[in-house]
Amino acid sequence: EDQVTQSPEALRLQEGESSSLNCSYTVSGLRGLFWYRQDPGKGPEFLFTLYSAGEEKEKERLKATLTKKESFLHITAPKPEDSATYLCAVQTGNTGKLIFGQGTTLQVKP
Amino acid sequence: DADVTQTPRNRITKTGKRIMLECSQTKGHDRMYWYRQDPGLGLRLIYYSFDVKDINKGEISDGYSVSRQAQAKFSLSLESAIPNQTALYFCATSVARNQPQHFGDGTRLSIL
Repeated sequence: EDQVTQSPEALRLQEGESSSLNCSYTVSGLRGLFWYRQDPGKGPEFLFTLYSAGEEKEKERLKATLTKKESFLHITAPKPEDSATYLCAVQTGNTGKLIFGQGTTLQVKP
Repeated sequence: DADVTQTPRNRITKTGKRIMLECSQTKGHDRMYWYRQDPGLGLRLIYYSFDVKDINKGEISDGYSVSRQAQAKFSLSLESAIPNQTALYFCATSVARNQPQHFGDGTRLSIL
């Protein structure tokens, strides 16, 4: 069964304290791995797509990496405005369906 | 204006009522999806559609139905609402299979 697990469930950081969020997956044929950010009362906002092991994407303080079993979202010198829930999703097969993890809720304190 | 618009944003109703949630998009995407989000369970796919004549069940379609009225409109119905359908509901669109899905801001549905 295809499965996506994110860890930790919650993470508290001080402003400037770098860390990483993990997304591990077991799927039969990965088509793509997607990272989203979700703010309270909002829908998920697309951040990155990764398609193959070894691929990396960067945007401001965020960097996403992918291996054959997991993806990491590295947050460098976070700011309070980076506080949000970060969702990981994988796509398998030909339908475009996404399987989501439960998310990691990040709080960055000033 | 938002590219993916969901109405209503909030709804409180009673068990047994029929409810329709609506989604419209201005992105010109053919693919549209309905998800529900529950605490601790993440987002789960209810139904999806690749064009006006194509409707497919997701992993949790029981108790729900959908209608694709046009390329830009995709509605989700609960024929007889029950309390365990209380959740956040999201509509999403994508241009192609391997491309990211873009989400609306959701409908918070409470069934008493």
